[in-house]
Amino acid sequence: KAGVTQTPRYLIKTRGQQVTLSCSPISGHRSVSWYQQTPGQGLQFLFEYFSETQRNKGNFPGRFSGRQFSNSRSEMNVSTLELGDSALYLCASSLDITGELFFGEGSRLTVL
Amino acid sequence: GDSVTQMEGPVTLSEEAFLTINCTYTATGYPSLFWYVQYPGEGLQLLLKATKADDKGSNKGFEATYRKETTSFHLEKGSVQVSDSAVYFCALSGNAGGTSYGKLTFGQGTILTVHP
Repeated sequence: KAGVTQTPRYLIKTRGQQVTLSCSPISGHRSVSWYQQTPGQGLQFLFEYFSETQRNKGNFPGRFSGRQFSNSRSEMNVSTLELGDSALYLCASSLDITGELFFGEGSRLTVL
Repeated sequence: GDSVTQMEGPVTLSEEAFLTINCTYTATGYPSLFWYVQYPGEGLQLLLKATKADDKGSNKGFEATYRKETTSFHLEKGSVQVSDSAVYFCALSGNAGGTSYGKLTFGQGTILTVHP
């Protein structure tokens, strides 16, 4: 069965712009989580959605937001981009039972 | 809060050498433990997992045992291959109710390079 799909895979933005990233989870998975990966900070948890509700949130500013649709697809948005937002953004889905996450290949964002 | 500490890298080995990557954790209760692997340009793939003390996870020749007494989950492989070159992440999933949903706490990652 198809894995977690993230789009776009690569994108370049300039400071002050906003960006929207998309994630389609594995069929049947209702929980979607987002992570930011950078060389300096490693993997950091952004937020988690289940049945269109945000259930958990990491320590990121309000410029980072997300949502989940009724088909479990999720989007995350970053507004007023800063240079430090350059990172690989990873989406993961799960069955919400074992804690095991299945990751997509990520969206690599470069902010100039 | 929860935390995971991995041995510093990078680790460079010759093919067929023995591999150990140390991982220790701090968590309340009884977390589940994972090893993920990330190949260049790709996302993370689950390598193995253990959900309770003394469980041994294994996959593709890799093994790790959940040791509650030493709060450790060290990754081992008896004979590495060039294709094992990747970044390895130790992670835990807490069980503190709502604060654990979708959240894995990761170690900083260990870069492994295997030479022919």
